[in-house]
Amino acid sequence: SQELEQSPQSLIVQEGKNLTINCTSSKTLYGLYWYKQKYGEGLIFLMMLQKGGEEKSHEKITAKLDEKKQQSSLHITASQPSHAGIYLCGADQGAQKLVFGQGTRLTINP
Amino acid sequence: DARVTQTPRDKVTEMGQEVTMRCQPILGHNTVFWYRQTMMQGLELLAYFRNRAPLDDSGMPKDRFSAEMPDATLATLKIQPSEPRDSAVYFCASGQDRGRAFFGQGTRLTVV
Repeated sequence: SQELEQSPQSLIVQEGKNLTINCTSSKTLYGLYWYKQKYGEGLIFLMMLQKGGEEKSHEKITAKLDEKKQQSSLHITASQPSHAGIYLCGADQGAQKLVFGQGTRLTINP
Repeated sequence: DARVTQTPRDKVTEMGQEVTMRCQPILGHNTVFWYRQTMMQGLELLAYFRNRAPLDDSGMPKDRFSAEMPDATLATLKIQPSEPRDSAVYFCASGQDRGRAFFGQGTRLTVV
């Protein structure tokens, strides 16, 4: 679905650097989910955001949902090789209909 | 740990054959999703169910795809007849109310 736009589509960063991935919706989000995946494998849940202005952190990953609940960002501090993979944002569009953005492919160079 | 189980993990079939993919959702979850993932299209929602009733299957090609939940422990996705363009990884996921979705490991389908 192109109703959820992720940027950038791919990202290459040096190990130790910070990075940000964005997810923008044209509609109000009832819930925003971040997952990580290695291509072709199952999705690993990272975080769920539901309230405008909400921010959550897990280890070196922080996700925020803006006040209007139409945009979210995922920030990784001091990136490591283990952070490499595909990051997907998913949105509940109502009635628990869960759709995803195209994904951001993250490469960490040593 | 509770998990979503998909079978088979890999399937290679000839064009025109019927393909059935199965999913066992986590016990107690009331919502089941089917997704298809390709490099070009990303992760597309094909259909989803709540309490075994189909809520939305607008993402599914109706002429050849069908999704059902014969009971609360089994969801199926069928393709008949299969075509090379159906080659993809198919994921099943389950969830409860507005909680997060739990994904299976996927079925990698190759149609030759």
